[in-house]
Formats: sequence, C-alpha cells, structure tokens
Amino acid sequence: DAGVIQSPRHEVTEMGQEVTLRCKPISGHNSLFWYRQTMMRGLELLIYFNNNVPIDDSGMPEDRFSAKMPNASFSTLKIQPSEPRDSAVYFCASTRTGDNYEQYFGPGTRLTVT
Amino acid sequence: AQTVTQSQPEMSVQEAETVTLSCTYDTSESDYYLFWYKQPPSRQMILVIRQEAYKQQNATENRFSVNFQKAAKSFSLKISDSQLGDAAMYFCAYRSANKIIFGKGTRLHILP
Repeated sequence: DAGVIQSPRHEVTEMGQEVTLRCKPISGHNSLFWYRQTMMRGLELLIYFNNNVPIDDSGMPEDRFSAKMPNASFSTLKIQPSEPRDSAVYFCASTRTGDNYEQYFGPGTRLTVT
Repeated sequence: AQTVTQSQPEMSVQEAETVTLSCTYDTSESDYYLFWYKQPPSRQMILVIRQEAYKQQNATENRFSVNFQKAAKSFSLKISDSQLGDAAMYFCAYRSANKIIFGKGTRLHILP
C-alpha cells in the first residue's frame, strides 16, 4: 500500500487566496483525521470523519476553514481566505477500526501564507 | 476532558546511553490506548510503541519500552542504547472512541 497520500507537499500562497489541501487515505480505512502542526500550538486535531461523515469539527479554528470527504478515498481541507497565521504543516491521517486505534499519517503539507 | 502533558520540551542523551521521556494524561475513561510517535526532521510521524490500557504488562519494541502506571496516569518512554537516528520530536498520544489527543512533544537530541 502507498500509505496516506497528501498533496501538495508544499504550498506558498498570498494572503486572501483560497487554498485546498488534499488527502487520500489508505484503502480500507474508514476514519480520516486532519491535523495542523505549528511550533506554538503543537499538533492540533482539526476535524475527523468516520465513514465519510464529519464527527467532530470542534478543532476547526474558524469559518474560513472547511473540510469535505465526498467518498472513502478522498478528502479536502480548504482555507478561504487564507491568512499568514494559517502557515503550518497540515497532516492527514487514517485508521481502520480494529487496528488497535493506530493512526497512519501522511507526509504533511507545508503551507506558507505570505 | 482528556489531556496529555509532556513536561520536558527538550532532552539530550549521550549516544549509547538510556533516556526516559515522561508523559502524563488525565481521563475518566477506562478503555483507551496510549502511543508514542516519533517525528524526525523529515516530519513523517512514525509510530514507536503502543499500550492498551487494559494490559498491565508494559509494551516493548526492541530498544523502546514503556513504563505504564495506570493509577498514576503516567506513560513514560525509555530508549535504551540511544542511537543518532533516534534524534527527533517524540509525541505521547491518548486515544479512545476514535478521538486522539497529542502532547506538545519532547525534542530529543543525541550527543555523539
């Protein structure tokens, strides 16, 4: 298996622009998580899906952030409009019930908003 | 609400020596899992070791072992015979019912 796939790996954009981050979970995994990592705040859970349904989005910072999972093999995290304080590494992770709850992480997307 | 605390932002250890990273957590649940993840400079998150809360025996994976004290809600990671490749950020994580909480991490330096 190729593991969790994220794209792009790096994104540089200007303040005010829309940013879309993409994730393909491991085939067969039914839960998907989006995290944000910064030096100041560490690793924060933004939202997670179970069987394509958003279960907990309490970590989403504000209305500028939205996430979708239209099918079991694809999810997006969108920021519109982006701001410099959104600069961070965004991770996607997936898991399958029964795997002792281990999460498999993607390589992350490093977002820089100027 | 569950919390995970790693009280050591940074630690250093001499190569070949042993180091222990501490982690405490707070929960009212009885069924949960605990993990240690490693994040090297490549930033890829790698699972190091896991512990089921219902198991009293401490988990071990080669040079990595944990000291799980359920009553004290403590879950420390011991790395024996430290190697240069062990240099990384280490995150302690708690998980139950499909939700996972990470500590702030401990940056481990290996001194040659």
